[in-house]
Amino acid sequence: QKEVEQNSGPLSVPEGAIASLNCTYSDRGSQSFFWYRQYSGKSPELIMFIYSNGDKEDGRFTAQLNKASQYVSLLIRDSQPSDSATYLCAVSNTGNQFYFGTGTSLTVIP
Amino acid sequence: KAGVTQTPRYLIKTRGQQVTLSCSPISGHRSVSWYQQTPGQGLQFLFEYFSETQRNKGNFPGRFSGRQFSNSRSEMNVSTLELGDSALYLCASSLGLAGVNIQYFGAGTRLSVL
Repeated sequence: QKEVEQNSGPLSVPEGAIASLNCTYSDRGSQSFFWYRQYSGKSPELIMFIYSNGDKEDGRFTAQLNKASQYVSLLIRDSQPSDSATYLCAVSNTGNQFYFGTGTSLTVIP
Repeated sequence: KAGVTQTPRYLIKTRGQQVTLSCSPISGHRSVSWYQQTPGQGLQFLFEYFSETQRNKGNFPGRFSGRQFSNSRSEMNVSTLELGDSALYLCASSLGLAGVNIQYFGAGTRLSVL
């Protein structure tokens, strides 16, 4: 079983819609949770992190964490073509060990 | 504030050779982690260095090694290159302290093994 699982997609949404990306993790000791965006041929860039149960909003992005269900999600409101990328979910434990999912490819259709 | 710097950006090597990649972290960051990214496997963790000591290690063969210097700069070495080592190698730096540690990535080194 992989430590972090994501649907690989591809996920396609029309411009202006809400994109919902999901991630599950296996280690109940995981403490911090991250979403990175990676454009083709580029390196991952941090979008958001969350460490408490509930929602965290930053502009058009909302991260949701449910530790009991070992589930993290990322919502992108008013999706734009520039949001088309691969989204990586990552979790870390107390030892600063990071585990990444394989990513979900998102395409926003104009 | 300068970001994470990786050199070189591109490398072409042949099987059996060895290669050394370099990573300079964000100023003040003491932790450097290395990852291998391939289309099929995603981001695979190689190792993490903190204050010149390897703190975490992934499941890669001993051909992959690394080190960290007193200024937190890190190098990764791959010996006896194989075709399967062709990948994007990313390093990420963080403060490395207790609590929420955010990793910031460099642009990566794309290694092609022929």
